[in-house]
Amino acid sequence: GENVEQHPSTLSVQEGDSAVIKCTYSDSASNYFPWYKQELGKGPQLIIDIRSNVGEKKDQRIAVTLNKTAKHFSLHITETQPEDSAVYFCAAIMEYGNKLVFGAGTILRVKS
Amino acid sequence: DAGITQSPRHKVTETGTPVTLRCHQTENHRYMYWYRQDPGHGLRLIHYSYGVKDTDKGEVSDGYSVSRSKTEDFLLTLESATSSQTSVYFCAISGLAGVDEQFFGPGTRLTVL
Repeated sequence: GENVEQHPSTLSVQEGDSAVIKCTYSDSASNYFPWYKQELGKGPQLIIDIRSNVGEKKDQRIAVTLNKTAKHFSLHITETQPEDSAVYFCAAIMEYGNKLVFGAGTILRVKS
Repeated sequence: DAGITQSPRHKVTETGTPVTLRCHQTENHRYMYWYRQDPGHGLRLIHYSYGVKDTDKGEVSDGYSVSRSKTEDFLLTLESATSSQTSVYFCAISGLAGVDEQFFGPGTRLTVL
């Protein structure tokens, strides 16, 4: 089955700097890769996603890149702000059914 | 939280007792999911439903059962709770705008003593 590895597990950056979180997946048939942000005491919230027919997608300060050959995808946050501090999860959809497999999460701390 | 509610939000119970968690959606989405979240493991799928009375197992289904008698409700039951089932449980939905995007509820924190 699908396996998703996420790195780093924790990331501290200075306000205004960029943050990058990387994930690798095992199932070459996976074709949908969402990223979720989870704030303390809340459920995960979808912030951006990418499908396998594109290599990059941007939404304001957030971008995701996908390298299908290498089976990895990354989340890029530019000009980080304190409100970006949260846990971020990557995921990949399994080939059959609408089942997501999640990475273990990255705790992002933005220091002001 | 995309029209998803979970109840209860917090529960403390004792080992061996049955527990039922409820997920209710107002979005008319076809698919519903139950995940558990534990430190170091991200979110792991317990069971999911692809329609009324249609359910299937996920990655960590042992010790859990589910039922879906109406589109809007998805119940997760722990027949005999164990301490290893202490976790935060999230419900998610998908399937109206697209089959992939999943939207999560606020979670239920369950403690089994």
